[in-house]
Amino acid sequence: SQQGEEDPQALSIQEGENATMNCSYKTSINNLQWYRQNSGRGLVHLILIRSNEREKHSGRLRVTLDTSKKSSSLLITASRAADTASYFCATDGGDGNNRLAFGKGNQVVVIP
Amino acid sequence: EPEVTQTPSHQVTQMGQEVILRCVPISNHLYFYWYRQILGQKVEFLVSFYNNEISEKSEIFDDQFSVERPDGSNFTLKIRSTKLEDSAMYFCASSENWWGGPNQPQHFGDGTRLSIL
Repeated sequence: SQQGEEDPQALSIQEGENATMNCSYKTSINNLQWYRQNSGRGLVHLILIRSNEREKHSGRLRVTLDTSKKSSSLLITASRAADTASYFCATDGGDGNNRLAFGKGNQVVVIP
Repeated sequence: EPEVTQTPSHQVTQMGQEVILRCVPISNHLYFYWYRQILGQKVEFLVSFYNNEISEKSEIFDDQFSVERPDGSNFTLKIRSTKLEDSAMYFCASSENWWGGPNQPQHFGDGTRLSIL
């Protein structure tokens, strides 16, 4: 089965800097989604990019998708202390089912 | 903004006991899901539910697990005879109608931490 897999990074950056994290997956998809999880909380949906899209923006977030390489990146610009969280990519089944396959997550710490 | 709510936030249960985890999905959503996250591991899909029946389930979702939508608002996950390895954070999620296509974001609750002793 397919899985989202982030690069196993723990990022520690200064407030105002940009944070980039990557994700790769193994099979065909309809879409790829990025989620944020604050400690002890649920997953918050950030952005969804469809398989026929290459780039998408939402506020300070920029997501790219390269289906030929089966990879995606999430860029957070001008980071804030409140961006401190774990970030997960998730892919759907690509077969019409809605189940999400999550990666291991990237821990991002933004230092004020 | 509407949100998915889950109760309880933390459930401690003796091994072998039955446990029911409860969720109230977003009111106009029609697809419902359960996921779990064992400490330090990935979030794993358990089951999806639509039109009062299971749409898909993973290999984790064995005969010990069941889901139900007992009324118009609640969505429950039952584990009949809990095992130590069922200890995890359980997340409920919901998404809008399927007719929007397979590109609907899923909205998650804050989870129930299940501890099996």
